[in-house]
Amino acid sequence: AQSVTQPDIHITVSEGASLELRCNYSYGATPYLFWYVQSPGQGLQLLLKYFSGDTLVQGIKGFEAEFKRSQSSFNLRKPSVHWSDAAEYFCAVVGVRQLTFGSGTQLTVLP
Amino acid sequence: DGGITQSPKYLFRKEGQNVTLSCEQNLNHDAMYWYRQDPGQGLRLIYYSQIVNDFQKGDIAEGYSVSREKKESFPLTVTSAQKNPTAFYLCASSIEGRPVPKTYEQYFGPGTRLTVT
Repeated sequence: AQSVTQPDIHITVSEGASLELRCNYSYGATPYLFWYVQSPGQGLQLLLKYFSGDTLVQGIKGFEAEFKRSQSSFNLRKPSVHWSDAAEYFCAVVGVRQLTFGSGTQLTVLP
Repeated sequence: DGGITQSPKYLFRKEGQNVTLSCEQNLNHDAMYWYRQDPGQGLRLIYYSQIVNDFQKGDIAEGYSVSREKKESFPLTVTSAQKNPTAFYLCASSIEGRPVPKTYEQYFGPGTRLTVT
């Protein structure tokens, strides 16, 4: 069965610093992968997705993610974090007719 | 603007009462989903529906029921049989068809926070 691991429960970065959120997946075939962001008390917004092709995927709000099959990873990156990026981030992989979500990484941004 | 609406945003109920959460979408999406979110546990799938008048159990369907009488509506009832109903509930939808990966691109509503005491 498919699974997603987000090893970091909570990450704190300073505004303007670079960011990398880790995501490891377990799935037998070529995975379809997603990153979502959730602001407090809100629904989830799709940041970016990987279906096939170029392994470096660009998303909204200046985010990008790189699919590395050899490492079963799909890490999310941003070169310079803004205070408005403070939120919870979820990685997800498509399994059998449904998405499987990781447990999330809470991002705190220091001024 | 197209989107998904969930109402109410906050809901309070006494233990032993059934409660129905509303989810409406005007995206003309075929598939709709209900998730439960608890702190530190990510999202867990309760039910999903790919077409009107049909729905499937997800990973944690016990104590919940749904209906899909209209394409745009997918209400979730939390019954008294659900042992720990206090949670944040999220509804989502996606388009069916080709290319297949697009089917899995889900769009979420703002959520309903249910508190049962």
